Amino acid sequence: AQSVTQLGSHVSVSEGALVLLRCNYSSSVPPYLFWYVQYPNQGLQLLLKYTTGATLVKGINGFEAEFKKSETSFHLTKPSAHMSDAAEYFCAVSEGNQGGKLIFGQGTELSVKP
Amino acid sequence: DADVTQTPRNRITKTGKRIMLECSQTKGHDRMYWYRQDPGLGLRLIYYSFDVKDINKGEISDGYSVSRQAQAKFSLSLESAIPNQTALYFCATSTTGTWGGYTFGSGTRLTVV
Repeated sequence: AQSVTQLGSHVSVSEGALVLLRCNYSSSVPPYLFWYVQYPNQGLQLLLKYTTGATLVKGINGFEAEFKKSETSFHLTKPSAHMSDAAEYFCAVSEGNQGGKLIFGQGTELSVKP
Repeated sequence: DADVTQTPRNRITKTGKRIMLECSQTKGHDRMYWYRQDPGLGLRLIYYSFDVKDINKGEISDGYSVSRQAQAKFSLSLESAIPNQTALYFCATSTTGTWGGYTFGSGTRLTVV
């Protein structure tokens, strides 16, 4: 069965600092991987996804993630944090490659200090 | 109008009551899902449906049931609500054959007292 582990339930950075949110997955088939963001009192919004092809994927709001098969990782980064990045972030892996159901990690809450 | 609409947005109900959460979508997607979100546990899948005649249990289906009334409508019912079903519930949709990911509703915050 597929699974996702997000390291760190809470990450705090200063405004302008590097953001690094860690995600490791387990999958017996080539995975499709996703990062979603949830702002307070809202639903989840897709940040970026990896399906096939280039392993470094760019998303919205300056975020990017790199698929590393050897490390079974899909860490999310942003070079310079903004106050508006404060939110909860979820990593997810798909079970199958035809629009199958997503398995989510536990979530990481990102705080940005002025 | 939102692509995926959940009603109600907030609900407080008493232990033992039956409650239905509704989800409708205008995306034209064939696949629909119900998840619950609890702090520290992420999102866990309750039920999912890949088309109108298809219903599947997720990892935490006990105490819940669903109905797919049409391609655009997918309802979640709690037959006899209990306090540990207090959570934030999300409906999501996706489409077969392409991978744009899910489209989520805004969620229903359910409190069982």
